[in-house]
Amino acid sequence: KQEVTQIPAALSVPEGENLVLNCSFTDSAIYNLQWFRQDPGKGLTSLLLIQSSQREQTSGRLNASLDKSSGRSTLYIAASQPGDSATYLCAVTTGYQKVTFGTGTKLQVIP
Amino acid sequence: SQTIHQWPATLVQPVGSPLSLECTVEGTSNPNLYWYRQAAGRGLQLLFYSVGIGQISSEVPQNLSASRPQDRQFILSSKKLLLSDSGFYLCAWRTISGEQYFGPGTRLTVT
Repeated sequence: KQEVTQIPAALSVPEGENLVLNCSFTDSAIYNLQWFRQDPGKGLTSLLLIQSSQREQTSGRLNASLDKSSGRSTLYIAASQPGDSATYLCAVTTGYQKVTFGTGTKLQVIP
Repeated sequence: SQTIHQWPATLVQPVGSPLSLECTVEGTSNPNLYWYRQAAGRGLQLLFYSVGIGQISSEVPQNLSASRPQDRQFILSSKKLLLSDSGFYLCAWRTISGEQYFGPGTRLTVT
């Protein structure tokens, strides 16, 4: 059974800092890994999708990396802004339609 | 572009009452559709997925059922709600490349 862990559960940083969020998974036979952000009371917004054959993906100030062999992914946020405050979730797909989410990291960027 | 709608946005229902939540997708055809539940303090749990009209797969035995009467419509139902059915219900669709996009969600409170 796939298990996905996100550490830390919460993170508070001053504006402008670069930061890294972590996601680890137990079954390395994944099809892809996706990072989302969720604002309070809202649905999930897709940030980045990394296919199993890829090592990283970039979008603006965000960079996600994937190391399947070690069962880890990181989301790097450069020059953090208060608008980045949200809960960040990673999700891995294994098998046919099997999607497992982590419990998220709640990020607060302090002005 | 693709858009996913969910309604209602919020719902308060007494224990034992029926439930019907609706999800519709615009801008794509024959999407893979998903229902997730996010309970307070817990991660997202995949409830059902559908790869086509009338095709429903259940991930977790529970008090809920799902139906897909039309290509871009996905319905979550219950005949008798339990207190434990409270949560935030999210509908999602998945692209061919495996990226998931989520709707705005329905907040269900069972009293």
